[in-house]
Amino acid sequence: GAGVSQSPSNKVTEKGKDVELRCDPISGHTALYWYRQSLGQGLEFLIYFQGNSAPDKSGLPSDRFSAERTGGSVSTLTIQRTQQEDSAVYLCASSLASGGVDEQFFGPGTRLTVL
Amino acid sequence: QKEVEQNSGPLSVPEGAIASLNCTYSDRGSQSFFWYRQYSGKSPELIMFIYSNGDKEDGRFTAQLNKASQYVSLLIRDSQPSDSATYLCAVKSQAGTALIFGKGTTLSVSS
Repeated sequence: GAGVSQSPSNKVTEKGKDVELRCDPISGHTALYWYRQSLGQGLEFLIYFQGNSAPDKSGLPSDRFSAERTGGSVSTLTIQRTQQEDSAVYLCASSLASGGVDEQFFGPGTRLTVL
Repeated sequence: QKEVEQNSGPLSVPEGAIASLNCTYSDRGSQSFFWYRQYSGKSPELIMFIYSNGDKEDGRFTAQLNKASQYVSLLIRDSQPSDSATYLCAVKSQAGTALIFGKGTTLSVSS
């Protein structure tokens, strides 16, 4: 079946502009996660959605970052007033969240470059 | 601060050898442990997970978990050049739901 999809694959923007990144999870997966990976760094958790529960926003680095998930499926990560330090690969993952091990599967990522 | 530590490498092994990748974690309450493989410019790909002490084998891969020592490892037998990648160790805590990742170990398998 189809995996996690993300768009755009690459985004170049100017400092101060807003950007929106989209994630389409695997069909039937109720949990959705956003991570980012900066050059030479590990994956950093940003935000987590599970069904209709309030999202876990504990990883968002500043109030310029926000995310929503509509209809329990597609999610959009918005970064306002982008800064150069926001340049990274933004990865989305989804899982069944059925209890137990709960394996997360990643999308191809969006490479964001802030000039 | 929950942490996952890995040697950054590079770990270099000849083709056919066993590659051993190690990971330690700080949260004693962690319950599930994952190994992801990431090729350059690509997203992480799940290789294995383990949640019970001991060994878990899947083909050429064996994951080992020792909760008392807060240590998890991945062994790759008969290493191939196609195994050359960065291997990410990830831990899921008892209280949280997001994975906590190490920075990864770069493996290079020479032919």
